[in-house]
Amino acid sequence: GENVEQHPSTLSVQEGDSAVIKCTYSDSASNYFPWYKQELGKRPQLIIDIRSNVGEKKDQRIAVTLNKTAKHFSLHITETQPEDSAVYFCAASKGGGGNKLTFGTGTQLKVEL
Amino acid sequence: DVKVTQSSRYLVKRTGEKVFLECVQDMDHENMFWYRQDPGLGLRLIYFSYDVKMKEKGDIPEGYSVSREKKERFSLILESASTNQTSMYLCASSFPQGRRVGYTFGSGTRLTVV
Repeated sequence: GENVEQHPSTLSVQEGDSAVIKCTYSDSASNYFPWYKQELGKRPQLIIDIRSNVGEKKDQRIAVTLNKTAKHFSLHITETQPEDSAVYFCAASKGGGGNKLTFGTGTQLKVEL
Repeated sequence: DVKVTQSSRYLVKRTGEKVFLECVQDMDHENMFWYRQDPGLGLRLIYFSYDVKMKEKGDIPEGYSVSREKKERFSLILESASTNQTSMYLCASSFPQGRRVGYTFGSGTRLTVV
């Protein structure tokens, strides 16, 4: 089955800096790659996603890039703010967004003032 | 706004008990999923269902079963609870492929088995 590896497990940045979280996947048939943000004590929430026919997608301060050849994708957060502090999970699935997702192990992002 | 409701936020059960975790969604989603979340391990898929009375094993189904008698309800059953099933359990639902994307998660049930 699919295996998703995520790095780093913890990331600390200064407010205003950029943060990058990287994931690799094993199944070349995977075609949908979402990112979820989970604040402390809350449920994971979808923040951005990308499909395999697109190389990059941006939404305000967050962007995701996908390299299908290398089977890796990354989340980029620019101009980080304290409210960006959370655990971020990448995931992958075959057949689209509604199908079962395989998640990475998560990255604890801390934005320091 | 889609709502996925898990019946209990916190639950404490004894070893050997049969435990039922309930999940109800109100947006007519076909797909429903049960994950467990453990520190350092992320979210691991236990079981999922793409239709009523349909169920498929995920990556870690051992010690669990599920029931989906109605479209809106997906129950996770721990047949005989053990301490290694102490975890946060997250339910999620979604539309199938080709329609809207992404999961909506419930708030989670933190289960402690003593």
